[in-house]
Amino acid sequence: GAGVSQSPSNKVTEKGKDVELRCDPISGHTALYWYRQSLGQGLEFLIYFQGNSAPDKSGLPSDRFSAERTGGSVSTLTIQRTQQEDSAVYLCASRTGAGADTEAFFGQGTRLTVV
Amino acid sequence: AQRVTQPEKLLSVFKGAPVELKCNYSYSGSPELFWYVQYSRQRLQLLLRHISRESIKGFTADLNKGETSFHLKKPFAQEEDSAMYYCALINTGTASKLTFGTGTRLQVTL
Repeated sequence: GAGVSQSPSNKVTEKGKDVELRCDPISGHTALYWYRQSLGQGLEFLIYFQGNSAPDKSGLPSDRFSAERTGGSVSTLTIQRTQQEDSAVYLCASRTGAGADTEAFFGQGTRLTVV
Repeated sequence: AQRVTQPEKLLSVFKGAPVELKCNYSYSGSPELFWYVQYSRQRLQLLLRHISRESIKGFTADLNKGETSFHLKKPFAQEEDSAMYYCALINTGTASKLTFGTGTRLQVTL
């Protein structure tokens, strides 16, 4: 694929249900990031991966949030027992990781609405 | 810890007026700074990076290490500049965690 792909584009779920958000990074990009974008909060860092490991998961809001990355490629962000405050756009980005100045490429985001 | 601060949530200017979007950072090491932009209904994308010392769409940004600032400037605003702008920082030591500010919405009016 030409760019970072996220699925689904939109997700409406009932409070208390679990959801899985998927990110397909650009092939060969070793660094992968998850952010949450909500009105008035800007881009909130959640977690990043270098390969399959997550050196920094300090941004995950609670233990209901988890993420994994397999094969150095696809990543899944899972939110358990969703709450209304989880409603936001979840963005994924990837970089080559080859240098500090390399560009991060973003997906189109998943808009999550918890009702 | 690395932190990026954008003090203005909204900046409204007239077409042709100068623009300055403020960004301050805190980081103990040697950071690399970026500006990203999100136009309406488009993906977040890189506007410019400090290391390239480039001017993109008339925008420039100067890194001031003494003031720990990386303000984005343009001498004459255009309508198409209306967008959400994010300042970002990455640590050059590990070249890993990419931290963004809360963003500033630029509104250019006639």
